[in-house]
Amino acid sequence: DAKTTQPPSMDCAEGRAANLPCNHSTISGNEYVYWYRQIHSQGPQYIIHGLKNNETNEMASLIITEDRKSSTLILPHATLRDTAVYYCIVKSAGSARQLTFGSGTQLTVLP
Amino acid sequence: EAEVAQSPRYKITEKSQAVAFWCDPISGHATLYWYRQILGQGPELLVQFQDESVVDDSQLPKDRFSAERLKGVDSTLKIQPAELGDSAMYLCASSRDLYNEQFFGPGTRLTVL
Repeated sequence: DAKTTQPPSMDCAEGRAANLPCNHSTISGNEYVYWYRQIHSQGPQYIIHGLKNNETNEMASLIITEDRKSSTLILPHATLRDTAVYYCIVKSAGSARQLTFGSGTQLTVLP
Repeated sequence: EAEVAQSPRYKITEKSQAVAFWCDPISGHATLYWYRQILGQGPELLVQFQDESVVDDSQLPKDRFSAERLKGVDSTLKIQPAELGDSAMYLCASSRDLYNEQFFGPGTRLTVL
């Protein structure tokens, strides 16, 4: 599975959009981009995943560049409860392999 | 909403003692995972089950760790004997099958003194 690069930390003002970048320049054609987050002292929580089209659900939007080498997770109206470590993970379609977590981005939503 | 259950939530033990953690996955989920998360790092897989069979235990320290899922439902992870370096959060996750998104439990925080 391709490796990912994320900034170690970001701040965002409450009520504003939080845009979390992820670089996955070695991604291959059958690899999906997954996003999970982990609020302090809790288990990771699945957010969203996508292959090449932009995806949106009730939690977030995922924007994947046309060349698929990077993506952005967007939390449209960040709240204090969105403060967490956000993990971007690349995983092959049809792969039974486990999720490989990196260090993630610590997002702090400021009041 | 269905959740993955884990117990205990916290465990303090002395080195050389045995400890066990329990996980009950979301009903109907065939795949179950145990991860270990050291403070400040991302979770790392220890063992993965499909029903009652082990799919991947390549990262499980088999000299002291064991895991079972006898009836293909709930699972137990055991450490015997515990060492100081085993202090970590132990996370259980489940998924509908090998290819779908994983749902994590709240974890068991182990402290070895």
